[in-house]
Amino acid sequence: DQQVKQNSPSLSVQEGRISILNCDYTNSMFDYFLWYKKYPAEGPTFLISISSIKDKNEDGRFTVFLNKSAKHLSLHIVPSQPGDSAVYFCAASGDTGTYKYIFGTGTRLKVLA
Amino acid sequence: GAGVSQSPRYKVTKRGQDVTLRCDPISSHATLYWYQQALGQGPEFLTYFNYEAQPDKSGLPSDRFSAERPEGSISTLTIQRTEQRDSAMYRCASSFLAQETQYFGPGTRLLVL
Repeated sequence: DQQVKQNSPSLSVQEGRISILNCDYTNSMFDYFLWYKKYPAEGPTFLISISSIKDKNEDGRFTVFLNKSAKHLSLHIVPSQPGDSAVYFCAASGDTGTYKYIFGTGTRLKVLA
Repeated sequence: GAGVSQSPRYKVTKRGQDVTLRCDPISSHATLYWYQQALGQGPEFLTYFNYEAQPDKSGLPSDRFSAERPEGSISTLTIQRTEQRDSAMYRCASSFLAQETQYFGPGTRLLVL
């Protein structure tokens, strides 16, 4: 039973265009959400996070949107760059009393030059 | 240290052998986490430590798995009597305090033959 789902295993986008990565969750107790980026042979690198009290958080080219009623979050990258090509993991936490992150299965983004 | 480090990076062992994996967290970080990541999946929580205390080990798949952090810094994850299904990437992460952003190491890839 996957509590965090990334239904698109891969995504290709032209350089300069917007990349939109999606994530759905089932547990309404989650109150903190993160995106990690992973390059080959490296560990996941923290990218951006959002608390459930917000519906948007922006950091440079990266924006995360949270729709609590739909239990959906998305990561927007604008403009996309070839260096953004990586696997992106969505993660959630906050099921009271625990600090473990529940990860999705990842989406491989390829930005085409 | 500058980041989370893990050793060894790769470990090949024969079924039935014991293995010990090591994690060296960021030096100021109180909280340390272990995750297991199967191919094509996101990391899955195993256990975590607050300093040397281990409040949650609910993710350890069997009693063959154990973890220690005796002095509240370096941690080891030991798998006894390894089985082929234990083959995975084992990731360590640390955070300054629990509920703060987790920073991941490069992982140890374990292959049980």
